[in-house]
Amino acid sequence: AAGVIQSPRHLIKEKRETATLKCYPIPRHDTVYWYQQGPGQDPQFLISFYEKMQSDKGSIPDRFSAQQFSDYHSELNMSSLELGDSALYFCASSADRGHQETQYFGPGTRLLVL
Amino acid sequence: AQKVTQAQTEISVVEKEDVTLDCVYETRDTTYYLFWYKQPPSGELVFLIRRNSFDEQNEISGRYSWNFQKSTSSFNFTITASQVVDSAVYFCARNRDDKIIFGKGTRLHILP
Repeated sequence: AAGVIQSPRHLIKEKRETATLKCYPIPRHDTVYWYQQGPGQDPQFLISFYEKMQSDKGSIPDRFSAQQFSDYHSELNMSSLELGDSALYFCASSADRGHQETQYFGPGTRLLVL
Repeated sequence: AQKVTQAQTEISVVEKEDVTLDCVYETRDTTYYLFWYKQPPSGELVFLIRRNSFDEQNEISGRYSWNFQKSTSSFNFTITASQVVDSAVYFCARNRDDKIIFGKGTRLHILP
């Protein structure tokens, strides 16, 4: 079965640079979630989109922005990168908005900021 | 705070032993969902189970089983006859609105 696709899988950036992470949800899933997992930490919710509209927001820095496009893929844009942004970034998708739907996670993008 | 607590930070067992991972959750909701995810060393998050708050029936899937008890707000996970491939970090989680709130995880080492 098709899974959530994330690209790139690994990314190395310098401080103050920008990064764009991409997420392609499971076919026919219209809801996308972004999570950040720091080293040795649990994943933390950043932001979610349903039908191309932002539906919920967590502890996402103002330097980060995200959107969902007409084909339901999503991009997380990160500017003025800081060392503390080094983390594993997960995208998840679900078949519908709502807590009754299971979120399936992608393999993650590992971002290293030097 | 409606958090999820996994009191066991790290567990080591010898292969073929049974092991139980504990999970206690807080909630003020009537309807909620609980989850277990596995994170192997490669880093991906693998969905294992979702449990509806109205369904307290225990579930078994192969060597995995889950014990959900609303009376104690617990959702424990047992691996029977553990194998080296079970070595991973296991996260218990619950939903809060549309997002998932994770526990801190339990790192499980299965020793050959």
